[in-house]
Amino acid sequence: DAGVTQSPTHLIKTRGQQVTLRCSPKSGHDTVSWYQQALGQGPQFIFQYYEEEERQRGNFPDRFSGHQFPNYSSELNVNALLLGDSALYLCASSSYRGSHYNEQFFGPGTRLTVL
Amino acid sequence: QQQVKQSPQSLIVQKGGIPIINCAYENTAFDYFPWYQQFPGKGPALLIAIRPDVSEKKEGRFTISFNKSAKQFSLHIMDSQPGDSATYFCAASNTDSWGKLQFGAGTQVVVTP
Repeated sequence: DAGVTQSPTHLIKTRGQQVTLRCSPKSGHDTVSWYQQALGQGPQFIFQYYEEEERQRGNFPDRFSGHQFPNYSSELNVNALLLGDSALYLCASSSYRGSHYNEQFFGPGTRLTVL
Repeated sequence: QQQVKQSPQSLIVQKGGIPIINCAYENTAFDYFPWYQQFPGKGPALLIAIRPDVSEKKEGRFTISFNKSAKQFSLHIMDSQPGDSATYFCAASNTDSWGKLQFGAGTQVVVTP
């Protein structure tokens, strides 16, 4: 059983460009959350998708947007990249069963470097 | 504003020692407290989690102690091994936030042979 997968593994962009990161959740999971982890810090919540809708959003600007597809996979889009967007972007999946005590499983992340 | 405060930032123990990592929170609505282990270049992996209706939980060599009145919880790694050298994160979430995890800043643990 494959866990959470993310692509690409690494990405290098320049300021002002746009980037799309992809995530496939663990089999049986229907909820996807995205986190940004700056070097030496804990992950920061960006947003969460369930039933193809954004359910929760963290303190991130509108430059960060996302999408969830009918097969539960998800994309994270970042527009007008800034140097400060350089980070490890983590996708986590979970299964919503009417309870929020649902474990979140993280993927390996996408390392984004903005030059 | 960091909702979960984690300490220490780093610690070094000898093999067989018991590293202890502490976390404190302010939001009394938090009702789920997981701990994650992260190795360099990898995503966080769930180690163990606790709910506020219990004061202690053990899974293998990992133990969570929870003090609801003090709004604190801690991770103990029993009989630590060099392979336990990693960064450990505490986190918290509440039912109304759809599982949105608030993470601590992390503790880098080094276990020497």
